Amino acid sequence: AQSVTQLGSHVSVSEGALVLLRCNYSSSVPPYLFWYVQYPNQGLQLLLKYTTGATLVKGINGFEAEFKKSETSFHLTKPSAHMSDAAEYFCAVTQRIGTYKYIFGTGTRLKVLA
Amino acid sequence: ETGVTQTPRHLVMGMTNKKSLKCEQHLGHNAMYWYKQSAKKPLELMFVYNFKEQTENNSVPSRFSPECPNSSHLFLHLHTLQPEDSALYLCASSQDLQGYGYTFGSGTRLTVV
Repeated sequence: AQSVTQLGSHVSVSEGALVLLRCNYSSSVPPYLFWYVQYPNQGLQLLLKYTTGATLVKGINGFEAEFKKSETSFHLTKPSAHMSDAAEYFCAVTQRIGTYKYIFGTGTRLKVLA
Repeated sequence: ETGVTQTPRHLVMGMTNKKSLKCEQHLGHNAMYWYKQSAKKPLELMFVYNFKEQTENNSVPSRFSPECPNSSHLFLHLHTLQPEDSALYLCASSQDLQGYGYTFGSGTRLTVV
């Protein structure tokens, strides 16, 4: 069975500070991993994804994430937070083979302080 | 329009009403999904369609009835809903069921009174 844990339902950072949103997964088979962002009153937008190959993946808006198999983690980072990054972020996992089902985390709401 | 379009954006309905949510995509995707997003809960997968055929019904109450007339359109028909059904209903599409990433619509905010 697969699962996703996002540590911290709320994270606050100052503008210009490092953003780190944590995601740990559990999967018995090689996973596909995703980060989505949701702005108020909007749907989810794909930020970045890891399927195969390079374990450091870059996404939109300056975000990146690193797949660490040994730590079963896929943390999302951005070197310098911007006010426009305030949103809710969701980590998701699915399997490379077999079921297509996504398992979403419960989300982390990012607040950026001026 | 590009992307996934959902209408209406907001809907208020009484418990005895019948209404429908619409989702449309012009991305050439073959799979479409309905998700329910409630406060403080993970996204809940409701239905999955692949090439117009329903491949999953995730134990959704019968007061929710999906319809997929073609690969570009997906509906969710609602009748005799309960207040706890109030939520953001999200439609998504993907090229296929291989899990390479969804494109989501902006959702319909449903309030049942």
